[in-house]
Amino acid sequence: SQKIEQNSEALNIQEGKTATLTCNYTNYSPAYLQWYRQDPGRGPVFLLLIRENEKEKRKERLKVTFDTTLKQSLFHITASQPADSATYLCALVHTGGFKTIFGAGTRLFVKA
Amino acid sequence: DTEVTQTPKHLVMGMTNKKSLKCEQHMGHRAMYWYKQKAKKPPELMFVYSYEKLSINESVPSRFSPECPNSSLLNLHLHALQPEDSALYLCASSQDRQSNYGYTFGSGTRLTVV
Repeated sequence: SQKIEQNSEALNIQEGKTATLTCNYTNYSPAYLQWYRQDPGRGPVFLLLIRENEKEKRKERLKVTFDTTLKQSLFHITASQPADSATYLCALVHTGGFKTIFGAGTRLFVKA
Repeated sequence: DTEVTQTPKHLVMGMTNKKSLKCEQHMGHRAMYWYKQKAKKPPELMFVYSYEKLSINESVPSRFSPECPNSSLLNLHLHALQPEDSALYLCASSQDRQSNYGYTFGSGTRLTVV
């Protein structure tokens, strides 16, 4: 069955360091992959989208890579800040759009 | 306006009640979605509307009934819910099915069924 795995353990890092979050998937051929940030009790906020024919995407302090051979995406936050503390969700979008499946998310804590 | 607005923010209802959740966007998006999210779980897709027509129903029980009156509004009608239906209900929209800009989510309705 289709499966998306994100590290269920919380990630604790020191302010200023780079946070790296992992999203692995199986039995799925996504057209593209999205990353979202979610704060407690709020809806997810879209951060970045990367297509299957793209290797890397950047936006300010954020960088996403997408390896369709490894079936893996890495999400990096450089120069992390306490305000970056949140849950980060990856989401795979099936070819043809519409059907988006979310991973369970990784909780990130950035300590000052 | 770059927001998706959901009302109410909180709802407590009995198992025999009928209530509705509302979602509104004025970004000109033509695809709208309902998701259900339990604590510490990912959002689960329930329904997709594209150009005001129901495109996907993820085998959701009939006690949940979606409605898309126009391109800006999405409703979710609730009837005879069970306590296990308590969750955060999220509405989202996107430009169309091939959105390059991801989904815009509302803040959700926290539903408690008693």
